[in-house]
Amino acid sequence: QVQLVASGGGLVKPGGSLRLSCAASGFTFSDYYMSWIRQAPGKGLEWLAYISTTGNTRNYADSVKGRFLISRDNAQNSLYLQMNSLRAEDTATYYCARISGPVGATTSFDHWGQGALVTVSS
Amino acid sequence: SYDLTQPPSVSVSPGQTASITCSGDKLGDKYVSWYQQKPGQPPVLIIYQDTKRPSGIPERFSGSNSGNTATLTISGTQALDEADYYCQAWDSSTAVFGTGAKVTVL
Repeated sequence: QVQLVASGGGLVKPGGSLRLSCAASGFTFSDYYMSWIRQAPGKGLEWLAYISTTGNTRNYADSVKGRFLISRDNAQNSLYLQMNSLRAEDTATYYCARISGPVGATTSFDHWGQGALVTVSS
Repeated sequence: SYDLTQPPSVSVSPGQTASITCSGDKLGDKYVSWYQQKPGQPPVLIIYQDTKRPSGIPERFSGSNSGNTATLTISGTQALDEADYYCQAWDSSTAVFGTGAKVTVL
């Protein structure tokens, strides 16, 4: 079955960097758009970014544009999120999620990983 | 930016019907998905394209969308349906989540 396993979370100082990974299995990874979504402690869901099947198309939320970079390695069935210039407000659980089709009105986040906790604190 | 507003909390008695609303400008012109999240777990897709249920999702979950409001309905609510529920839509290639509603089964 579909599995998404996020890793790479941890404690980082403000201004620091961190790279999250998401290992995918149970489906043809290269056929699906992928996304990162986060949830601050006790708060709601915030979409961050998505990437197309080939990596040629990426889109970001304004809150992370210019600081975060989404990428993928289809040969390794892996999704990544490079996070730079981290701030205290970036503290959250970060979920990788599969998008049900090419991004558009009809698509949904049909499978989610278990999340990786990122804490930004001095 | 596009906003989706949900009531913070909804209370329902076991066996009764719970309705969770999601409001946004001309939301009926978009497709809405709904996600269920239990404490310590990732969200799970329970409704997509306004009314469709993924495989394995019980029939007691249903959705509708018209005008400025989408609604998730839980019929015959069970204790295990106690969770947070989020609506979601796309706006100009940006995914937008609702503010979330906590459903309490009293």
